[in-house]
Amino acid sequence: KNQVEQSPQSLIILEGKNCTLQCNYTVSPFSNLRWYKQDTGRGPVSLTIMTFSENTKSNGRYTATLDADTKQSSLHITASQLSDSASYICVVSEFINTGTASKLTFGTGTRLQVTL
Amino acid sequence: NAGVTQTPKFRILKIGQSMTLQCTQDMNHNYMYWYRQDPGMGLKLIYYSVGAGITDKGEVPNGYNVSRSTTEDFPLRLELAAPSQTSVYFCASTVGQGDNSPLHFGNGTRLTVT
Repeated sequence: KNQVEQSPQSLIILEGKNCTLQCNYTVSPFSNLRWYKQDTGRGPVSLTIMTFSENTKSNGRYTATLDADTKQSSLHITASQLSDSASYICVVSEFINTGTASKLTFGTGTRLQVTL
Repeated sequence: NAGVTQTPKFRILKIGQSMTLQCTQDMNHNYMYWYRQDPGMGLKLIYYSVGAGITDKGEVPNGYNVSRSTTEDFPLRLELAAPSQTSVYFCASTVGQGDNSPLHFGNGTRLTVT
């Protein structure tokens, strides 16, 4: 069964500090891995999408890494801000035939709180 | 562009009632999806559509129906509401050209069935 596991479940850090969120998956065959940010009461917003051949991808202060061999990904947040407080969801896409909707497996998310 | 718009934002239903959750997008995306998000669980796919007139079941379709008469609109219908359908519902869309397109989500409908 395809699974996506995220750790930690929740995290509290001081503003200005860095943090790293983890994602392990068992989805096969693998197509791509995505990170989304979900603010409370809002829909998820895409941060990055990485394919098999990409090891790292950045979006501002967010840097995602992917190790397709060990089936692990991380999301590193640099110099955190109060506005980074949100849930971060790891999503892995299973390869289906071209023209068919992707089959996505969602993690349960890491809830990050950035405090003063 | 407004992106993906969902209405209503909140709704309380009694058991056995029916309702339609509305979803519209203005990005001319072919692919549209309905997900539900329950506490402590990852999003689960209810139904999806790859274009007007085409719909298909996702992981958890029981108790729901959809239609896709236009590219823009993808309403989700609950016929006989049950407490198990208490959840937050998200509509999403994507270009669909290739697998590396990000999903664009609406801000959700929070539904309570009592």
